[in-house]
Amino acid sequence: DVVLTQAPLSLPVTLGQPASISCRSSQSLVAGDGNIYLEWFQQRPGQSPRRLISFVSNRDSGVPDRFSGSGSGTDFMLQISRVEAEDVGVYYCFQYAHRPHTFGPGTKLEIK
Amino acid sequence: EVQLVESGGGLVQPGGSLRLSCAASGLTFSAAWMNWVRQAPGKGLEWVANTNPDGSEKYYVDSVKGRFSISRDNARNTLFLQINSLRVEDTALYYCAAWTDSSYWGQGTLVTVSS
Repeated sequence: DVVLTQAPLSLPVTLGQPASISCRSSQSLVAGDGNIYLEWFQQRPGQSPRRLISFVSNRDSGVPDRFSGSGSGTDFMLQISRVEAEDVGVYYCFQYAHRPHTFGPGTKLEIK
Repeated sequence: EVQLVESGGGLVQPGGSLRLSCAASGLTFSAAWMNWVRQAPGKGLEWVANTNPDGSEKYYVDSVKGRFSISRDNARNTLFLQINSLRVEDTALYYCAAWTDSSYWGQGTLVTVSS
């Protein structure tokens, strides 16, 4: 199975400051069709997960442009340019290039 | 507005069975890959199973193979998860999630396996 490793697992951030979360895959996430099936989800406290990013870097509709995704192959990054209070929660990377699909362990973002 | 409403969770003894349902509205259900994702109390997300739009393909995480069965009824816009031989470690909030042009999630239904 593909193992996704996230770092850090805990991320205290000052409001207005940037934040970055790394996601590393045990295998390349480039599928046979050339697409990279790597997504990022946000789960706010007490809420269901919400997708932020698909195909490494495509923001979902309604996602603020302070969120961006990047990466290729096995190394990926989610960046928040200026953290706001509403960004508190747990962030997961997710791959569906291989079966079984897998989530990373999650990174808990909190405000300092 | 897209809505996914799960039901069917509850308290069950080890070895028992449940059938989870997910009623979908506001999306073209018959065009969506449908997934079940679970989250044990205080833990992270675990992808459990999915099925393609016409239900002809079904995939599972290894830990549930042979015990869980995913199915769908496109005429009723409903997704199912039959869960048998339940174990304590299956205790979790089970989410239904649709992947179309976007990703939609329900609020989850809680399955508690305990004697």
